[in-house]
Amino acid sequence: EPEVTQTPSHQVTQMGQEVILRCVPISNHLYFYWYRQILGQKVEFLVSFYNNEISEKSEIFDDQFSVERPDGSNFTLKIRSTKLEDSAMYFCASSGDWTSGGADTQYFGPGTRLTVL
Amino acid sequence: SQKIEQNSEALNIQEGKTATLTCNYTNYSPAYLQWYRQDPGRGPVFLLLIRENEKEKRKERLKVTFDTTLKQSLFHITASQPADSATYLCVPNSGGYQKVTFGIGTKLQVIP
Repeated sequence: EPEVTQTPSHQVTQMGQEVILRCVPISNHLYFYWYRQILGQKVEFLVSFYNNEISEKSEIFDDQFSVERPDGSNFTLKIRSTKLEDSAMYFCASSGDWTSGGADTQYFGPGTRLTVL
Repeated sequence: SQKIEQNSEALNIQEGKTATLTCNYTNYSPAYLQWYRQDPGRGPVFLLLIRENEKEKRKERLKVTFDTTLKQSLFHITASQPADSATYLCVPNSGGYQKVTFGIGTKLQVIP
């Protein structure tokens, strides 16, 4: 069964450094998303991406964040200058399979645990 | 503002019993509702989707009901097993491709 994959599974970085989190969405999907989950809290929406542009973003997704689909398979989240409070699990999701009858079922990847020291 | 409430943050149940989780929502008119499961340190996993014109949906030991009048969905796991222990999240959706808004979910613990 197709699945969303993410790399790396765990990223440790120093405060102020740039990180890039990578995702490979399900191949026939058209919509891509990033979410994050701080330990013990709920999963929070960051950004959605469709047709090579951002379709919606949350207040969390400030100028330090950017997303890109550099080729036909990868979807990346970049944090330019990491802060301690960026430590969280980051989940990529994809959707857009019309065989589900138009319903937006999002399929999530296993996540990248980002630790900012 | 839109709000999702699940009956409790934690539910303990004896193995073999039926677990029933409740999801109430306000300020939504969802076209459908989805249930996800999340294990610690893992991403949410899609389980079931039920549309507003469906009263009930089943998948193996799982059953979901959807009452748009009460603005409520019930999620049942029959013959529960310790492997069913996880956090369960309900997600009302108005349709189209939009962000998923999760609540805190209900943490189910099935005791052997």
